[in-house]
Amino acid sequence: QQQVKQSPQSLIVQKGGISIINCAYENTAFDYFPWYQQFPGKGPALLIAIRPDVSEKKEGRFTISFNKSAKQFSLHIMDSQPGDSATYFCAASRGETSGSRLTFGEGTQLTVNP
Amino acid sequence: DSGVTQTPKHLITATGQRVTLRCSPRSGDLSVYWYQQSLDQGLQFLIQYYNGEERAKGNILERFSAQQFPDLHSELNLSSLELGDSALYFCASSPGTGGLYEQYFGPGTRLTVT
Repeated sequence: QQQVKQSPQSLIVQKGGISIINCAYENTAFDYFPWYQQFPGKGPALLIAIRPDVSEKKEGRFTISFNKSAKQFSLHIMDSQPGDSATYFCAASRGETSGSRLTFGEGTQLTVNP
Repeated sequence: DSGVTQTPKHLITATGQRVTLRCSPRSGDLSVYWYQQSLDQGLQFLIQYYNGEERAKGNILERFSAQQFPDLHSELNLSSLELGDSALYFCASSPGTGGLYEQYFGPGTRLTVT
């Protein structure tokens, strides 16, 4: 059962453009939504994260938008650069005190052309 | 560099064999998580340990087991290996347990079963 659906599977953007990746979740108990960036041969690196008490969070060129009623969240990369070319994963977890696990989306391969 | 270390980086073994993957969490982190990344299944949570105790379990096969030692390093044991076990295995760590804490991933171990 895929609890976090991510789209698109791949994305090509020109340098300076805006990259937008979308995720939708099913489990309303999820209350933590991070985005990870993964380069080939490397582990996922935490990029930015949001909790459902806010609708938007911005860190530099990266912004998460969160729509609790629609159970959707998205990553916006402003002024995309060739160095941003990587695979991006959205994820979700529940705030259980007993333990936690990240449920990941399928991933989006972003290519930023110079 | 996340501060999480994993050894070995690559592992090639034959079907039916047993291997041990090792993870050292970031300094001060008490929780260790194991994830499997494969082309067909994506990033999947396997198991979490917190301060030596199992805290959460995902779709981990019975042939797989893990433990966390008093020095907080963790080992993932994979036995009776099958071709389908070929994947990237990531370890992540966080300061505590529960959804309040961000997870930081190591560089992974690439397992190839021939």
